[in-house]
Amino acid sequence: QVQLQESGPGLVEPSQTLSLTCTVSGGSISSGGYYWSWIRQPAGKGLEWIGRIYTRGSTNYNPSLKSRVTISPDTSKNQFSLRLTSVTAADTAVYYCARAKEWEEPSDAFDIWGQGTMVTVSS
Amino acid sequence: QSALTQPASVSGSPGQSITISCTGTGNDVVVYNYLSWYQQLPGTAPKLLIYDFTKRPSGVSSRFSGSKSGNTASLTISGLQAEDEADYYCCSYGGSSPYVVFGGGTWLTVL
Repeated sequence: QVQLQESGPGLVEPSQTLSLTCTVSGGSISSGGYYWSWIRQPAGKGLEWIGRIYTRGSTNYNPSLKSRVTISPDTSKNQFSLRLTSVTAADTAVYYCARAKEWEEPSDAFDIWGQGTMVTVSS
Repeated sequence: QSALTQPASVSGSPGQSITISCTGTGNDVVVYNYLSWYQQLPGTAPKLLIYDFTKRPSGVSSRFSGSKSGNTASLTISGLQAEDEADYYCCSYGGSSPYVVFGGGTWLTVL
């Protein structure tokens, strides 16, 4: 049973860089046919997709965040990470990591989610 | 700019059926991409209910069903139960920019 767990600082100062890690257990991020995404949710608001990394290392980002986002893998630790630069209070949210399958059913949907981690941007 | 529009809220009584709509605008993401539905209970991570417009993952109750008509996708919940009270999100998942778009979410109240 694949499980995802987010980790990282709960408080980030404005203008600094937010860094989070998603640890994958029960499966390998190097296995073919999976997309690994970051999704966030401000308190009381809806879900916003941030970006994803494909098994082979290619990435796609939300156009509205692309200039500030980097998602990268660490296959030795079976993790993938999020870096969001120049943060402001608007980046305060619960951050989730999630998996989508490319061709196995259920495909092209987020079938496994982490529990989420709250990040507050404040001085 | 692509977007998915959902009603902010819907309500129904136990045992009734309700339908939540998700309408695509802009680049017709609903028509051309893979549409999924998620249930988010308060304080928890979203859970996949429906994928590829109409398919239900293993373990999801048959009370949840999806459909598509034109540029609108719909989630129907039949035999409403108190535990169905939650936020519901549609999501378009595709291979070209903007790649993934979520609807604004619909809060379901079970009266």
